[in-house]
Amino acid sequence: QVRLVQSGSQLQKPGASVNLSCEASGYTFINYAISWVRQAPGEGLEWMGWVNTNTGKATYAQGFTGRFVFSLDHSVKTAHLQIRNLKAEDTAVYYCARGNTVRGIQVYFFDYWGQGSLVSVSS
Amino acid sequence: SYDLTQPPSLSVSPGQTASISCSGDKLGDKFVSWYQQRPGQSPVLVIFQDDKRPSGTPERFSGSNSGNTATLTISGTQAMDEADYYCQAWDNTPAAVFGGGTQLTVL
Repeated sequence: QVRLVQSGSQLQKPGASVNLSCEASGYTFINYAISWVRQAPGEGLEWMGWVNTNTGKATYAQGFTGRFVFSLDHSVKTAHLQIRNLKAEDTAVYYCARGNTVRGIQVYFFDYWGQGSLVSVSS
Repeated sequence: SYDLTQPPSLSVSPGQTASISCSGDKLGDKFVSWYQQRPGQSPVLVIFQDDKRPSGTPERFSGSNSGNTATLTISGTQAMDEADYYCQAWDNTPAAVFGGGTQLTVL
């Protein structure tokens, strides 16, 4: 079955960097893009952008350029999210989600989600 | 930027119908997805392409989308349906946009 397994929670200091991973299994990795979604404590879902798992091309949503980097390791079917120069407002749960579509229709949705990785930023 | 507006909360009694709205400019021209997020859990897709149910979504969940409003309807609401619900669409960038979420209470 399709699974997205994310790395564990992390506590980091402001200014540090963090690397999160999302390991995919149960499907052909390069056939589905991976999106990253942020959820701050008590808040809603916020789309950060996506990475084309076939080409490696990353697209970042407004507000997630500069300090956020999406990357892939095809050898282990894993997507990575790096956040540089952490700020207190980066404290959130970060989800990876698989994007899917319907053949012949311009529709796109997130059909599988990882369990989330909590990043806490505090001095 | 494109905004989707949802009511922050909704309460229904068990067995009643819950209707959660999602409003956006010309939303009916876009496809809408709905996600359920139970406390402490990851979001789960319950409706895509306005009104399609993924395998595993109970038949009591249905969706519609017309004009400026999409609606998620839960018929015969059960205690297990208590969760936050998020609508989602794509703007012209394209970028995914989520509504602010609706906390559904079943009491």
